Amino acid sequence: GQNIDQPTEMTATEGAIVQINCTYQTSGFNGLFWYQQHAGEAPTFLSYNVLDGLEEKGRFSSFLSRSKGYSYLLLKELQMKDSASYLCAVRDLLMDSNYQLIWGAGTKLIIKP
Amino acid sequence: DSGVTQTPKHLITATGQRVTLRCSPRSGDLSVYWYQQSLDQGLQFLIQYYNGEERAKGNILERFSAQQFPDLHSELNLSSLELGDSALYFCASSVATGHGGETQYFGPGTRLLVL
Repeated sequence: GQNIDQPTEMTATEGAIVQINCTYQTSGFNGLFWYQQHAGEAPTFLSYNVLDGLEEKGRFSSFLSRSKGYSYLLLKELQMKDSASYLCAVRDLLMDSNYQLIWGAGTKLIIKP
Repeated sequence: DSGVTQTPKHLITATGQRVTLRCSPRSGDLSVYWYQQSLDQGLQFLIQYYNGEERAKGNILERFSAQQFPDLHSELNLSSLELGDSALYFCASSVATGHGGETQYFGPGTRLLVL
């Protein structure tokens, strides 16, 4: 079956580094998205990984290992505004050759001063 | 600003009523997705339309229906509303491959409160 696991909640300190993990099990993996969602607001696109390795985008980096079914989002130099939920979503190939996004439940990140 | 618009921003109604939520995708996007997000819950995919046709269905109740019009805007109709339907309803759009799974850009959402 299809399954995505993320920690429910994490706490980190302003200025520090935090790593949010996402593990997945799908039959037709074809890429992984990370989205940020502030409370009561729309999710916003952060990154997309389809090949193994690390993609860096400013303070945020995303890593993918397809063989391990594992990704992480790394946030550096944490700021208070990074307090949000971080959603992992997997692009899965369906039998009819279309794709669907399977969403994780999200990780709520709390930043403390 | 993602370029996806949703109206209304807030909606308060009573149980048993029917409401219509509206979404306009980004310019050039042919796919529209609808999601429900209850308080402190994850995104629940409801339905996807591509160029006017239903493309994929998620956990959408029979009391809910949607359509996409020739100008590509979409409407989500919720009927016989129950207290548990209170949630944020998001619309998202994506580029026009039609195969699904593309980067989705979300509208600001409609907050529905059923009393």
